[in-house]
Amino acid sequence: DTGVSQDPRHKITKRGQNVTFRCDPISEHNRLYWYRQTLGQGPEFLTYFQNEAQLEKSRLLSDRFSAERPKGSFSTLEIQRTEQGDSAMYLCASSREPNEQFFGPGTRLTVL
Amino acid sequence: TQLLEQSPQFLSIQEGENLTVYCNSSSVFSSLQWYRQEPGEGPVLLVTVVTGGEVKKLKRLTFQFGDARKDSSLHITAAQTGDTGLYLCAGTFMEYGNKLVFGAGTILRVKS
Repeated sequence: DTGVSQDPRHKITKRGQNVTFRCDPISEHNRLYWYRQTLGQGPEFLTYFQNEAQLEKSRLLSDRFSAERPKGSFSTLEIQRTEQGDSAMYLCASSREPNEQFFGPGTRLTVL
Repeated sequence: TQLLEQSPQFLSIQEGENLTVYCNSSSVFSSLQWYRQEPGEGPVLLVTVVTGGEVKKLKRLTFQFGDARKDSSLHITAAQTGDTGLYLCAGTFMEYGNKLVFGAGTILRVKS
């Protein structure tokens, strides 16, 4: 299966700890996106990369959040000093054009 | 106010019944997507529409895009228990760049 993969699928952490998530996009896709989804809501955009360049960042992405895509392939999303409000599903998507984004299975973060 | 409104929020029907869910926007879509999401998983792309008045069919699912590109509907014929899930409408807009903007979704439950 050559779909989008994310690791880990689940992460439980204590408040104040740092966490890092990884996303591997579909190999020929040059665009990569991160979204966050809370219960009862649709996903909300966090940030977007085209190749290795981070071109858009949401106001939702506080300075505790940082994302990288160092070689234009996989991406990481790091959250520093986690807070309980960070608990959510973190979704990664990739595409060749903005119209058709394919999502990974997500990383469920629980902050205790 | 939400940019995308989906209705109904929740729908519970018997197997074999037909149903329609709706998506409306206050802005003109550049493109519109429908996704289906199961608990604990990422959204799965069902269809993309870009042309006003466009109709697409995917087995028992019919997707319609409004002439003015501000609304869409998803019709399911003879629903099956396997259709149960969260149906998300999403779109790209000229004024919002490359990100997908999602509605809150319609939770569909099909009972046997």
